[in-house]
Amino acid sequence: DAKTTQPTSMDCAEGRAANLPCNHSTISGNEYVYWYRQIHSQGPQYIIHGLKNNETNEMASLIITEDRKSSTLILPHATLRDTAVYYCIVRVDGGFKTIFGAGTRLFVKA
Amino acid sequence: DGGITQSPKYLFRKEGQNVTLSCEQNLNHDAMYWYRQDPGQGLRLIYYSQIVNDFQKGDIAEGYSVSREKKESFPLTVTSAQKNPTAFYLCASSIEGRGDTQYFGPGTRLTVL
Repeated sequence: DAKTTQPTSMDCAEGRAANLPCNHSTISGNEYVYWYRQIHSQGPQYIIHGLKNNETNEMASLIITEDRKSSTLILPHATLRDTAVYYCIVRVDGGFKTIFGAGTRLFVKA
Repeated sequence: DGGITQSPKYLFRKEGQNVTLSCEQNLNHDAMYWYRQDPGQGLRLIYYSQIVNDFQKGDIAEGYSVSREKKESFPLTVTSAQKNPTAFYLCASSIEGRGDTQYFGPGTRLTVL
């Protein structure tokens, strides 16, 4: 599975959009981009995933560049409860292992 | 409510003792996983199971053992052979295990004294 690179931490003002980048320059054609988040001392929570097209659900939007070498998770109106560690993962279609790196620690401030 | 339960949330053991962590799911998922998380770090895969009575080692299986006798249950035993057992342990499940979304339990924080 391809490796991902994320900033260690980011700040965001409450009510503003949080844009979390992820670099996955070695991604293969059959690898999906997944995002999870982990609030302190809890289990990770699935947010969204995509292959090539941009995706949106009730939690977030996922923007994947045309060359698929990077992506951005967008939380449109961040709240204090969105403070968490966000993990960007690439996973082979049909592959079993999911590698969680250190992620990005997002601090949403009032 | 459907979901994954792990018990207990906090567990203390003396060094040299084996300890078993519970993981139960009522989501009717075939695949289940165990991860370990150390402070400030990501998750590392210990074991996974794609189907009842079958399981595979992950990246850090040494010092751990599992069983999968029932679809709903995937207990993890931390043995005395595990050199640094103090950690946060997370159980997850997914429908099939082949590239699909994982659903996580609340975790068990194990402290070995």
